[in-house]
Amino acid sequence: QKEVEQDPGPLSVPEGAIVSLNCTYSNSAFQYFMWYRQYSRKGPELLMYTYSSGNKEDGRFTAQVDKSSKYISLFIRDSQPSDSATYLCAMTAGGTSYGKLTFGQGTILTVHP
Amino acid sequence: DSGVTQTPKHLITATGQRVTLRCSPRSGDLSVYWYQQSLDQGLQFLIQYYNGEERAKGNILERFSAQQFPDLHSELNLSSLELGDSALYFCASSVVGNTDTQYFGPGTRLTVL
Repeated sequence: QKEVEQDPGPLSVPEGAIVSLNCTYSNSAFQYFMWYRQYSRKGPELLMYTYSSGNKEDGRFTAQVDKSSKYISLFIRDSQPSDSATYLCAMTAGGTSYGKLTFGQGTILTVHP
Repeated sequence: DSGVTQTPKHLITATGQRVTLRCSPRSGDLSVYWYQQSLDQGLQFLIQYYNGEERAKGNILERFSAQQFPDLHSELNLSSLELGDSALYFCASSVVGNTDTQYFGPGTRLTVL
């Protein structure tokens, strides 16, 4: 079983919809949680970065972390066609793990006009 | 543009060969990371260097090796290539190499025939 599980989708939504993306993980040492967006044939770019449990909002994006359930989410409000990409969750324990990120498989999102 | 550069963009080679992928980190970043992205395994951490020294290691094959030079650029060497090594190889960099944000390069697409 993988340390981080993410539904690969694909997910197709109409423009303006609220999108919910999720990951579950098994390693309780993970404390730092990230969401990356990856456009086709490009490198991943960081969208959101949260530490421990709680919510973080940035524009149309909200990241939630529930460490008790080992579950993280990314919500995208008022989705746009330009949001069409693969979304990757990533996490690290820090400490002696240093910068080693463990990624989910990625969810392919298409927002159609 | 993340500021991380990778060369070459594409590489096509034959089984049994050896190739070298190159990465230049963002200005000021001391840590470099290498990741492999394939369809079946997703994005996987290979190895991390900080200021010239190896800091963390993932499931990197013995046929693969890396180093970081005094000017902080890094090279990933892949030898005795197999068909299964075909993948996207990403380099990322960060300032201190712990839980700080990693910025990804555009990747090198390796095809082994």
